[in-house]
Amino acid sequence: NAGVTQTPKFQVLKTGQSMTLQCAQDMNHEYMSWYRQDPGMGLRLIHYSVGAGITDQGEVPNGYNVSRSTTEDFPLRLLSAAPSQTSVYFCASSSLGPLHFGNGTRLTVT
Amino acid sequence: AQKITQTQPGMFVQEKEAVTLDCTYDTSDQSYGLFWYKQPSSGEMIFLIYQGSYDEQNATEGRYSLNFQKARKSANLVISASQLGDSAMYFCAMREAEDSNYQLIWGAGTKLIIKP
Repeated sequence: NAGVTQTPKFQVLKTGQSMTLQCAQDMNHEYMSWYRQDPGMGLRLIHYSVGAGITDQGEVPNGYNVSRSTTEDFPLRLLSAAPSQTSVYFCASSSLGPLHFGNGTRLTVT
Repeated sequence: AQKITQTQPGMFVQEKEAVTLDCTYDTSDQSYGLFWYKQPSSGEMIFLIYQGSYDEQNATEGRYSLNFQKARKSANLVISASQLGDSAMYFCAMREAEDSNYQLIWGAGTKLIIKP
């Protein structure tokens, strides 16, 4: 029972590089989302999806893209990494109950 | 205005004592849900307890209970008989009914440290 799987766990990027954070869930949840967590702050919503083919922006979407081609997968793309995107990123999914979180990706942009 | 306020950035509690973590919220919805999550130093987010706005009884899950005072708009987490493993960040979150997209609004968290 994998739940929500995020890869990679750690990543270091140089400014201007692009990359994709992967997220997959096996619970058939229609809702998936990406959050970032910065020191001393709660979670801030980047993008979310309420089903395959449907995505929308959250509180802090700039610099990130998402797509939802399947129910299971919800990748987050950093288009041109900036030091301000240094953070811990969480993917989460739910039906109508609580959010189920992945274990997070710690991203450092130098 | 903040919708979820956790006024205690950090707390120290002696092991085996009970601890109350404060959470106040602001919403004009009649139907909403309140969640508590635990984040240990290892980083994962662990769901602890849920309270619906129409639930007449306070939610309980093992050593966790939610002291829900609707008129005061507070949803405090109570941990009975604290253990060293309870040391973690604790986040309060709310889902408003009018938001049909399942989004949660998060507080800034409380860092709880249990002293042996």
